[in-house]
Amino acid sequence: ELKVEQNPLFLSMQEGKNYTIYCNYSTTSDRLYWYRQDPGKSLESLFVLLSNGAVKQEGRLMASLDTKARLSTLHITAAVHDLSATYFCAVSDMRFGAGTRLTVKP
Amino acid sequence: DTGVSQDPRHKITKRGQNVTFRCDPISEHNRLYWYRQTLGQGPEFLTYFQNEAQLEKSRLLSDRFSAERPKGSFSTLEIQRTEQGDSAMYLCASSLSQGPREQYFGPGTRLTVT
Repeated sequence: ELKVEQNPLFLSMQEGKNYTIYCNYSTTSDRLYWYRQDPGKSLESLFVLLSNGAVKQEGRLMASLDTKARLSTLHITAAVHDLSATYFCAVSDMRFGAGTRLTVKP
Repeated sequence: DTGVSQDPRHKITKRGQNVTFRCDPISEHNRLYWYRQTLGQGPEFLTYFQNEAQLEKSRLLSDRFSAERPKGSFSTLEIQRTEQGDSAMYLCASSLSQGPREQYFGPGTRLTVT
């Protein structure tokens, strides 16, 4: 059965710092998704990664996919408070990780 | 608003009662997904449809849960004989079956079983 693991599960960082969230999965998949969820809200799609070596960037967030290593990363550059949220990766459309709860402090 | 809508947004029911939720997807999307999310967890896949066909159902889903999408448009999720463990947020999402299959989520229905 496909397993999706994210780490860390909780991340507290200061504004202006950089950090990376990792998403490992257990079986071959041709696509990986990153979503954001704010407290009490539903999920918002951030990135869709469709091939090995895919890299996508939006503002201070950059996502990459290594299908051979079964690993995706979400890199945060110069964090700001507005990035505080829970970030989920999802594999094969429908299998989600447990999420990384990010808090950015001044 | 042409996003995914869900109704009701909140439902409080007593244990043993049946409940039904509705999801209206984005009109041109032929795939529709149901998930359950509990506090601090990621969405747990329940089932999905392509058009009116139910293509996959989670093994974790008990026989008390059933979903339909009779005309390939809106979908309903019914939970029979609710239990306290059914308390959760039920999320619906839709996508196209071609291309990136990026999912767009509705606001969710929060179920509380007392």
